[in-house]
Amino acid sequence: AQRVTQPEKLLSVFKGAPVELKCNYSYSGSPELFWYVQYSRQRLQLLLRHISRESIKGFTADLNKGETSFHLKKPFAQEEDSAMYYCALRRGELSFGAGTTVTVRA
Amino acid sequence: SQTIHQWPATLVQPVGSPLSLECTVEGTSNPNLYWYRQAAGRGLQLLFYSVGIGQISSEVPQNLSASRPQDRQFILSSKKLLLSDSGFYLCAWSPWVGEQYFGPGTRLTVT
Repeated sequence: AQRVTQPEKLLSVFKGAPVELKCNYSYSGSPELFWYVQYSRQRLQLLLRHISRESIKGFTADLNKGETSFHLKKPFAQEEDSAMYYCALRRGELSFGAGTTVTVRA
Repeated sequence: SQTIHQWPATLVQPVGSPLSLECTVEGTSNPNLYWYRQAAGRGLQLLFYSVGIGQISSEVPQNLSASRPQDRQFILSSKKLLLSDSGFYLCAWSPWVGEQYFGPGTRLTVT
């Protein structure tokens, strides 16, 4: 069963525009959620985790248990934000969504 | 500090040939280890994970196998490659509780 759903495979926005990457999860327990990012020619790396309630590189993500969502948001996208983004749910090991490729155009 | 290595970086193999991809971790003890396949349009799929030497769990039935002969060594193998085995393979490690750290990956092309 699909535990993490990222409905958008591709997302294209203009520089300076807001960007939101959607993530919905399916889990009956208390979820532990993450966003990972992979920039071109770089390793997959952790961007942020919900328990930290932090903002990294201008990105934030709020856990909404009622909607079972963990959407990633940034109010003003930059060209360097172009990357592949994965939402992940920890249930012992990590379950990843299918990923969203973000392209920020000048 | 901890580092994770994978090799080779790229590999082209004919159908039916064997496969061995290696992953090693430095700077930590008794890590959890993982093999993922990253396929275009299909995201990141967990193939195997290991919580200790000789302990391997498989997430999906497949043509691949994994072994952990040493604490910080994780090997992905196949006896006979299929075309569908082509993809980008990522190794990762994590402490018992915490985030995962990924290796640079291996691009496998089966011809």
